[in-house]
Amino acid sequence: ETGVTQTPRHLVMGMTNKKSLKCEQHLGHNAMYWYKQSAKKPLELMFVYSLEERVENNSVPSRFSPECPNSSHLFLHLHTLQPEDSALYLCASSQDVAGGQETQYFGPGTRLLVL
Amino acid sequence: GENVEQHPSTLSVQEGDSAVIKCTYSDSASNYFPWYKQELGKGPQLIIDIRSNVGEKKDQRIAVTLNKTAKHFSLHITETQPEDSAVYFCAASGQGNLIFGKGTKLSVKP
Repeated sequence: ETGVTQTPRHLVMGMTNKKSLKCEQHLGHNAMYWYKQSAKKPLELMFVYSLEERVENNSVPSRFSPECPNSSHLFLHLHTLQPEDSALYLCASSQDVAGGQETQYFGPGTRLLVL
Repeated sequence: GENVEQHPSTLSVQEGDSAVIKCTYSDSASNYFPWYKQELGKGPQLIIDIRSNVGEKKDQRIAVTLNKTAKHFSLHITETQPEDSAVYFCAASGQGNLIFGKGTKLSVKP
């Protein structure tokens, strides 16, 4: 596989629940990313971390809260989500951020359904 | 900002035929163009990439061409096989991040 793992692979939650998505990379990379993938839309970049510092936050609603405790782990904390937040959430990593010019390696994603 | 258009959205070919997917981008400063393949239930996987200092790159049955003047790049798959069936995404480096196209669903019929 790619060296990027994500758990859980599937998640169903109600709008009042709180849950967390976990990502771990075993590639020794310095940058990690969260993307949202919805049907018939391009991948949407949500957050970028470089050496555990957040360097990008693309106008994502506050009900999504990222956390990067170290360069190998990335979390996405979810609370009071809406049905339109149902999507595949992908984690990726790259050696460095480098203005988007580094190869990004993706995990398998978490399929989220909000009821 | 950068915008990436990808065509076609779906493509069906017979096994053994060639497949071509095309992308255009808007930011002339973009200089890195990767292609990803996403199979059902998996995340996107890099299959080939090209940087702006070259016009073409090949890796066995796949090739990518880049025309910086026209701001478009294409993925070519020759001798297609059923296992090539997947969704393919192009991307361009822009605004400091990768900007992705909407994807092309390729179906290879045996």
